[in-house]
Amino acid sequence: AQKVTQAQTEISVVEKEDVTLDCVYETRDTTYYLFWYKQPPSGELVFLIRRNSFDEQNEISGRYSWNFQKSTSSFNFTITASQVVDSAVYFCALGARNTGNQFYFGTGTSLTVIP
Amino acid sequence: GAVVSQHPSRVICKSGTSVKIECRSLDFQATTMFWYRQFPKKSLMLMATSNEGSKATYEQGVEKDKFLINHASLTLSTLTVTSAHPEDSSFYICSARDGLGFRNTIYFGEGSWLTVV
Repeated sequence: AQKVTQAQTEISVVEKEDVTLDCVYETRDTTYYLFWYKQPPSGELVFLIRRNSFDEQNEISGRYSWNFQKSTSSFNFTITASQVVDSAVYFCALGARNTGNQFYFGTGTSLTVIP
Repeated sequence: GAVVSQHPSRVICKSGTSVKIECRSLDFQATTMFWYRQFPKKSLMLMATSNEGSKATYEQGVEKDKFLINHASLTLSTLTVTSAHPEDSSFYICSARDGLGFRNTIYFGEGSWLTVV
């Protein structure tokens, strides 16, 4: 079974604080992909990152960084020096090759950055 | 980069009528497209998976006679909500898989807000 858990429903931080969004996944597939998407109030999903199951290197992109750990089945997302424009719902998703890349979404974490 | 276009972005229809939402891959061939529905403050729920030229596979609990999905070409899939009711009001999002190679990258449309009055 495939499952994505985002235990944090809502997070509020003050601007310039760092914040980490947690994502834990379950899958029996050996080849899978993990994604993070941002959904601002306008509703569209904005692609942030894709990570393949065989690539555990962490990644940094500007103020964003991702920590992928297969040992704990986690793919956490950190925003450094948060800004008001970061306020959105963030979804972690799992796509497994054996299921035709059907996406399994977490329930999302609503991030509010207070100015 | 690859883009998936969804149209219309917002639609209001009367109860009992049908409404069609289009999902187009603009610069790649999408062998597989997915349709999701999102309720307010909820996660995305997969409704169905459609492969070009074949019937869509619906998730459990999704009425296939109500939510008609057609994937007639490698760049277009349509979702038709038939005999719409107010409870069908929701945010519908499609995604398309770039079928080339191992990358299997999936791109999402902008979403369509459906309001049934």
